Amino acid sequence: SQTIHQWPATLVQPVGSPLSLECTVEGTSNPNLYWYRQAAGRGLQLLFYSVGIGQISSEVPQNLSASRPQDRQFILSSKKLLLSDSGFYLCARNPGQGNYGYTFGSGTRLTVV
Amino acid sequence: KQEVTQIPAALSVPEGENLVLNCSFTDSAIYNLQWFRQDPGKGLTSLLLIQSSQREQTSGRLNASLDKSSGRSTLYIAASQPGDSATYLCAVPLRGGGADGLTFGKGTHLIIQP
Repeated sequence: SQTIHQWPATLVQPVGSPLSLECTVEGTSNPNLYWYRQAAGRGLQLLFYSVGIGQISSEVPQNLSASRPQDRQFILSSKKLLLSDSGFYLCARNPGQGNYGYTFGSGTRLTVV
Repeated sequence: KQEVTQIPAALSVPEGENLVLNCSFTDSAIYNLQWFRQDPGKGLTSLLLIQSSQREQTSGRLNASLDKSSGRSTLYIAASQPGDSATYLCAVPLRGGGADGLTFGKGTHLIIQP
């Protein structure tokens, strides 16, 4: 199973509050893990990816950070949310080899008010 | 920088029609191409993965083709059904390595009328 668990499913947070979104995956060990954001009216944007524990690459400068404390756990965080952080956040995995496809989680809908 | 374009942006057709969704990408040096389906408010479901050495892949009523040299892929949906209504996304690896993440088109929003 390549199942991806994301929680919470929906979240409403005030501006300036902290954020922690968690993603855990099942299946093969040492997968590549990814955080994507889908903002209203915009396409999917890659935010972070990780090839192993403690290894994080950021694709775009922003108000968010990511961490990978365990092989199958990927966390997206913010110290102070902005209105522009609202969106649909998706976690994804890939076995780490170029010839395999990507699997996505069910996502977290974040609304910053 | 790899860019993906999907045409049309939206499509509404009556049930039973055969459909073609188009995807183009700017850098032909790709490992593979993946088609996804996204229902409203939901995550992405993988439909088909085509490796760079393949010309097409089939799954049930879906057939995806890949022409790397021209930077194009098409998703063919046969005998469309109302349950096919969703947004269809095309994606290719962000960079040549294939595992650094995907870049997506903006999708085709498909409505199948009963």
